[in-house]
Amino acid sequence: KNQVEQSPQSLIILEGKNCTLQCNYTVSPFSNLRWYKQDTGRGPVSLTIMTFSENTKSNGRYTATLDADTKQSSLHITASQLSDSASYICVVTRSFTGGGNKLTFGTGTQLKVEL
Amino acid sequence: ETGVTQSPTHLIKTRGQQVTLRCSSQSGHNTVSWYQQALGQGPQFIFQYYREEENGRGNFPPRFSGLQFPNYSSELNVNALELDDSALYLCASSSNQEPTDTQYFGPGTRLTVL
Repeated sequence: KNQVEQSPQSLIILEGKNCTLQCNYTVSPFSNLRWYKQDTGRGPVSLTIMTFSENTKSNGRYTATLDADTKQSSLHITASQLSDSASYICVVTRSFTGGGNKLTFGTGTQLKVEL
Repeated sequence: ETGVTQSPTHLIKTRGQQVTLRCSSQSGHNTVSWYQQALGQGPQFIFQYYREEENGRGNFPPRFSGLQFPNYSSELNVNALELDDSALYLCASSSNQEPTDTQYFGPGTRLTVL
């Protein structure tokens, strides 16, 4: 079964601290893995995308890693800011016959950054 | 901002009614995907349209249907609304010309079924 599991479900950290979010997947065949940030009531916004051959990708204070052998990914946030408070969703893409891609979404990690 | 727009922003309907949600894709994108996101959950794939034809469907009943127009904008129609249809409905556009086929999401339509 194609699934994406994320942990922790929620997380509270102090401003300025670092944190790491985890994503495990069983989606096959694997095309790519994305991390999205979703502010409350808004659509998700892409942070990073990694294909099979990439094992790390950075976007400012966000660094994603991918281990395609163990089917695990992590998103590391450095020097957190209040504006980082959001849901972080791991999304794995697989291609299907006829073109186009199907995305399997994790349920997200709800991050809250406090003073 | 992604350039993907959705309307309306919010909508309240009663059980049994029908609803139409609209999405304008980002310029140059020929693929539109629709997702349902219940509160506290990740988005669930409903279906995808590519060049005006359905190009993949998730585990949703036939009362969820869609259209894509020649300008690549799209509609999601839901008939015989049920209480569980209350959710944020997200539209995402993409282009199969891009190597990674990144989907750009709109702000969503919040549907409440009473």
